Amino acid sequence: ELKVEQNPLFLSMQEGKNYTIYCNYSTTSDRLYWYRQDPGKSLESLFVLLSNGAVKQEGRLMASLDTKARLSTLHITAAVHDLSATYFCAVDWNTGFQKLVFGTGTRLLVSP
Amino acid sequence: DTEVTQTPKHLVMGMTNKKSLKCEQHMGHRAMYWYKQKAKKPPELMFVYSYEKLSINESVPSRFSPECPNSSLLNLHLHALQPEDSALYLCASSHPSFFTEAFFGQGTRLTVV
Repeated sequence: ELKVEQNPLFLSMQEGKNYTIYCNYSTTSDRLYWYRQDPGKSLESLFVLLSNGAVKQEGRLMASLDTKARLSTLHITAAVHDLSATYFCAVDWNTGFQKLVFGTGTRLLVSP
Repeated sequence: DTEVTQTPKHLVMGMTNKKSLKCEQHMGHRAMYWYKQKAKKPPELMFVYSYEKLSINESVPSRFSPECPNSSLLNLHLHALQPEDSALYLCASSHPSFFTEAFFGQGTRLTVV
């Protein structure tokens, strides 16, 4: 069974600070996705990571994938309030189409 | 158009009712999904359709019945639900052959009373 764990589960940080969210998974996969979810809303795709060593950046967010360590990170640089949301990583179970197993989620709160 | 449209946005139903959730996409995606998300939990996969055929059923109770009438539409028929089935139901679609992200609809917030 594929298990995906994130830490921390909850992150309260001040604007302007940096922090990293970690996503560990239990079974070999080289396809990992990061999503953002605002309260009561749907999931917004942030990053698609498809190979070992993949690094993607968009604004203040940067995601990376290490398939050998079965680890992905989402790094937040100089956080702003608008980044407050829940962030999920999701691992594709290599079935040929997307059988996504989502991580536990990290609720991020950025305060002034 | 990168939109997945779900209707209704909110639904309240009794335990003896029959209702349906609808999902539509026009991105040419041939894989469509139903996920269930309880409050403060991650989404959990329920069903996967690939090329209009049911490919995965994650041991979902038979009171949930999916249907894919054509490549753009996905339905979820609900019958005799329990209060614990109250959740956000998310539809998603993706290209089944390329490793791109799944696009999610805004969800249907279902309350069973």
